[in-house]
Amino acid sequence: AIQLTQSPSSLSASVGDRVTITCRASQGISSALAWYQQKPGKAPKLLIYDASSLESGVPSRFSGSGSGTDFTLTISSLQPEDFATYYCQQFNSYPALTFGGGTKVEIK
Amino acid sequence: QVTLRESGPALVKPTQTLTLTCTFSGFSLSTSGMCVSWVRQPPGKALEWLALIDWDDDKYYSTSLKTRLTISKDTSKNQVVLTMTNMDPVDTATYYCARMSSGCYYFDYWGQGTLVTVSS
Repeated sequence: AIQLTQSPSSLSASVGDRVTITCRASQGISSALAWYQQKPGKAPKLLIYDASSLESGVPSRFSGSGSGTDFTLTISSLQPEDFATYYCQQFNSYPALTFGGGTKVEIK
Repeated sequence: QVTLRESGPALVKPTQTLTLTCTFSGFSLSTSGMCVSWVRQPPGKALEWLALIDWDDDKYYSTSLKTRLTISKDTSKNQVVLTMTNMDPVDTATYYCARMSSGCYYFDYWGQGTLVTVSS
């Protein structure tokens, strides 16, 4: 099974900071990666699919990049509503879908 | 407007079978390229994909749980049902159903989730 490792597991940042989260796959997955945002007590929300495509309605400060085994989610200027936990998910080994362990973005 | 809602028991005893229902609106599961999945999340832990059913009634399961899971759909009622047998306290989690479209690779709409606690 393809494993996804996210780093860091948590980070502290200030409003306005540029934040980068990494997701590494245990084997190459082309661009078959999505990113989600989850706030406490809420369901995840799709942000990015196909590694770099922005889901409709998601602010442009979110961007995704990468292919193969290394991927990044970048928030160009962190806003108060962006404090949440972020997950990557691969679908290269469809239908065996897997998620990363999550990255919690906290207020500094 | 796409919506999904999970329903089922909040508490089950060890060894019992859990049955969860996902009732959805705003799309049809008979449309080509459409799928519904179940995903769970133990308290404070990461997301885990469990099972998927597609528009053609093909069914797929997590390798680690496939012997315990059954997924089915009732297209006329816009429902997807998940059963999980032999429940254990480690199965305590929030269970989500989620829509997958455009080839069923990622989850574009989610239900609010339902917390299931396994305890005697």
